[in-house]
Amino acid sequence: EAGVAQSPRYKIIEKRQSVAFWCNPISGHATLYWYQQILGQGPKLLIQFQNNGVVDDSQLPKDRFSAERLKGVDSTLKIQPAKLEDSAVYLCASSLGHAVGTLHFGNGTRLTVT
Amino acid sequence: TQLLEQSPQFLSIQEGENLTVYCNSSSVFSSLQWYRQEPGEGPVLLVTVVTGGEVKKLKRLTFQFGDARKDSSLHITAAQPGDTGLYLCAGEYGAGGTSYGKLTFGQGTILTVHP
Repeated sequence: EAGVAQSPRYKIIEKRQSVAFWCNPISGHATLYWYQQILGQGPKLLIQFQNNGVVDDSQLPKDRFSAERLKGVDSTLKIQPAKLEDSAVYLCASSLGHAVGTLHFGNGTRLTVT
Repeated sequence: TQLLEQSPQFLSIQEGENLTVYCNSSSVFSSLQWYRQEPGEGPVLLVTVVTGGEVKKLKRLTFQFGDARKDSSLHITAAQPGDTGLYLCAGEYGAGGTSYGKLTFGQGTILTVHP
């Protein structure tokens, strides 16, 4: 089966600019996650979708981050305006359903904010 | 927020040595997962342990879930350079009934195995 697809792989922007990341989960996976992974740390959950509804966005900085999953398939994560501390790898993952089960991760987008 | 603490944070060993990575929390988890991540890639699931006291083996890797389901360990026997990577533990909580499971990650252990 095809894995989780993410684009772009790398992005360099200046602070205060905006950026968007795209994720296409594994076909049939109802749950989609966006994680932020700062260098040398474990992934931190930003937002979790079940189909096109938000299950958990408690750690999403809503003043600058937004995410959507229209039609319950693809998802986009946006940052506007970006700050230096947003430099990280943004990982998208998907799983089949209700319980966590097996998370399948994409290879991430490495964001550098200068 | 459930917290998971991993130790050690860094581990640098010679090929053939044994090692253990620990994952501890004050919270109870319904399951505990271990992932391995290589540079430029996403984490890949190695194992899921569900029952307190459970032990699972995957070739030279042995995973154990604590009796109280608050801690776990990963033991690697006769480490090889191919084992090099970032090892992450992740605990699941919150699933049940109509509630969706959530996964929280430890900060990871960077393992380097020298030939």
